[in-house]
Amino acid sequence: GENVEQHPSTLSVQEGDSAVIKCTYSDSASNYFPWYKQELGKRPQLIIDIRSNVGEKKDQRIAVTLNKTAKHFSLHITETQPEDSAVYFCAAIPNQAGTALIFGKGTTLSVSS
Amino acid sequence: DAGVIQSPRHEVTEMGQEVTLRCKPISGHDYLFWYRQTMMRGLELLIYFNNNVPIDDSGMPEDRFSAKMPNASFSTLKIQPSEPRDSAVYFCASSSTGVGDTQYFGPGTRLTVL
Repeated sequence: GENVEQHPSTLSVQEGDSAVIKCTYSDSASNYFPWYKQELGKRPQLIIDIRSNVGEKKDQRIAVTLNKTAKHFSLHITETQPEDSAVYFCAAIPNQAGTALIFGKGTTLSVSS
Repeated sequence: DAGVIQSPRHEVTEMGQEVTLRCKPISGHDYLFWYRQTMMRGLELLIYFNNNVPIDDSGMPEDRFSAKMPNASFSTLKIQPSEPRDSAVYFCASSSTGVGDTQYFGPGTRLTVL
């Protein structure tokens, strides 16, 4: 089955710097890769996703890149702000009926001003 | 739309007691997921339903856990008997068209078993 590894587990940056979180997956059939943000005490919320027919997707300060050959995908946050501080989860899902999202363990991002 | 609704938001119970968590998915969503979140194990999928039918319950930790979805607008997750190691935040999520679709999470139920 699918296995998703996420690194780093914690990340501290200064306000204005960029942050990069990387995930690897094991199942080459996976074709959907969402990223969720979870603020302290709140629910996970989708911030961006990418499908396997696309190599990169951007939405303002966040972007996701996908390398299908290497089976890894990354979240990039530019010009970080204190409100970006949260736990970020990557996930992957195989293109197979009867399966569901497999989440990484999460990355705690701290942005200091 | 009110989003995914969960109740209760907090539950404190004693070991051995029965606990029932409730979830109302977003109207029109065909998929419903139950997750458990702990510091040690992260976000774990327990079970998910498609059109009220359980599809994959391989994440249910043991027989003490059971889940039902009697209709399209309601699901329960029951733990009987509860144990301290069941303490966690339990999330319900729903999605519209399939497992490769955006999942919308409820606010979660924080369960503490003493």
